[in-house]
Amino acid sequence: GAVVSQHPSRVICKSGTSVKIECRSLDFQATTMFWYRQFPKQSLMLMATSNEGSKATYEQGVEKDKFLINHASLTLSTLTVTSAHPEDSSFYICSAGLAGGAREQFFGPGTRLTVL
Amino acid sequence: KQEVTQIPAALSVPEGENLVLNCSFTDSAIYNLQWFRQDPGKGLTSLLLIQSSQREQTSGRLNASLDKSSGRSTLYIAASQPGDSATYLCAVRSAGGSTLGRLYFGRGTQLTVWP
Repeated sequence: GAVVSQHPSRVICKSGTSVKIECRSLDFQATTMFWYRQFPKQSLMLMATSNEGSKATYEQGVEKDKFLINHASLTLSTLTVTSAHPEDSSFYICSAGLAGGAREQFFGPGTRLTVL
Repeated sequence: KQEVTQIPAALSVPEGENLVLNCSFTDSAIYNLQWFRQDPGKGLTSLLLIQSSQREQTSGRLNASLDKSSGRSTLYIAASQPGDSATYLCAVRSAGGSTLGRLYFGRGTQLTVWP
């Protein structure tokens, strides 16, 4: 089956620093990648959708200048949390899908971000 | 806007019981519905995917049904085991307009099966 990896799996950083999270599709080419955020005991909330080679589409309420998304290739998307603050501490999960928005997405294992 | 609700929020049962987890959604314009399992601090594992034209899907001890017109899905777990303990998430994939393909998640049902 389709495999999606994320790196790092866990990161702890000081307030004010920037953190980059990588999402890779290992055995298929993902034209679309999605970034979700999940707070404890809450549902997954879509942050943004990115298509390879174009700018990401952010959901309402998600600051595009704070959460920088780059989808430079068909197998790699990155999420950079700039000037992280404690309220950005969360579980970030990416997913990757094939061409055509209605197709199944395959999820990565998630990244636990803790900002001190 | 699509809203997905899962009931109950938490469930604790002894090993061996047959379980029913419920999911409801407000907009029937869906492409498919998917059930996931999430272990603590981990990502999502896809369990079953039901296309909008289907009524049910089965995998081992799991059976998921879909009634699109009434906006409901149920996940049946037969002969539960301690290893089934996890959070179960329901998600619907939108079939409509600008939200085509977008997944909407419920908050999940946290299941504990004790020996």
